[in-house]
Amino acid sequence: ETGVTQTPRHLVMGMTNKKSLKCEQHLGHNAMYWYKQSAKKPLELMFVYNFKEQTENNSVPSRFSPECPNSSHLFLHLHTLQPEDSALYLCASSQHLPGQGYNEQFFGPGTRLTVL
Amino acid sequence: QKEVEQDPGPLSVPEGAIVSLNCTYSNSAFQYFMWYRQYSRKGPELLMYTYSSGNKEDGRFTAQVDKSSKYISLFIRDSQPSDSATYLCAMMTEYGNKLVFGAGTILRVKS
Repeated sequence: ETGVTQTPRHLVMGMTNKKSLKCEQHLGHNAMYWYKQSAKKPLELMFVYNFKEQTENNSVPSRFSPECPNSSHLFLHLHTLQPEDSALYLCASSQHLPGQGYNEQFFGPGTRLTVL
Repeated sequence: QKEVEQDPGPLSVPEGAIVSLNCTYSNSAFQYFMWYRQYSRKGPELLMYTYSSGNKEDGRFTAQVDKSSKYISLFIRDSQPSDSATYLCAMMTEYGNKLVFGAGTILRVKS
């Protein structure tokens, strides 16, 4: 089991619901990431945080709203999602930000999201 | 053209076979090459990484990078049913700001 945990593991929501995904890392890392993984598609980077500051927003629709209250916790707030947003949402952390040479990203188990 | 191309499979092999997984890429600036393994209902975990060209071996796993052909491979010797998973290749430039992933290849090793 990795040092990155995610809750809930499964989530079903209607298009008008508001829900949040939670990620926690116990590795003392400085950078945290949200990825979207859809079937037969590459992982898509959504957001990157470094020491609580957002450093990357990969043109993600505003119905996804990230929050990083400290370097150990990361949230993804969801509202008025579409069925095509159904996917596995993965959280990851790394010691440093990308751009500072290689550093391994450690992934959580993901939240399987279904939007009805 | 996608930056990284990876055959999604599934690739089905008998136990004990040698498995070859591959990715091609278009960005000649990629310098870091990673292979992740993802079991069902789990997140990806790093299997191996290589810097620039060459080979790297770790137990039954060998990673190869051919930058002249923009082609990377992961070989698994004496494959086991426990190797059944999705294998993702990923790449990054020297001071790049993000990993670029392939779509993943589903591998099934039959006992």
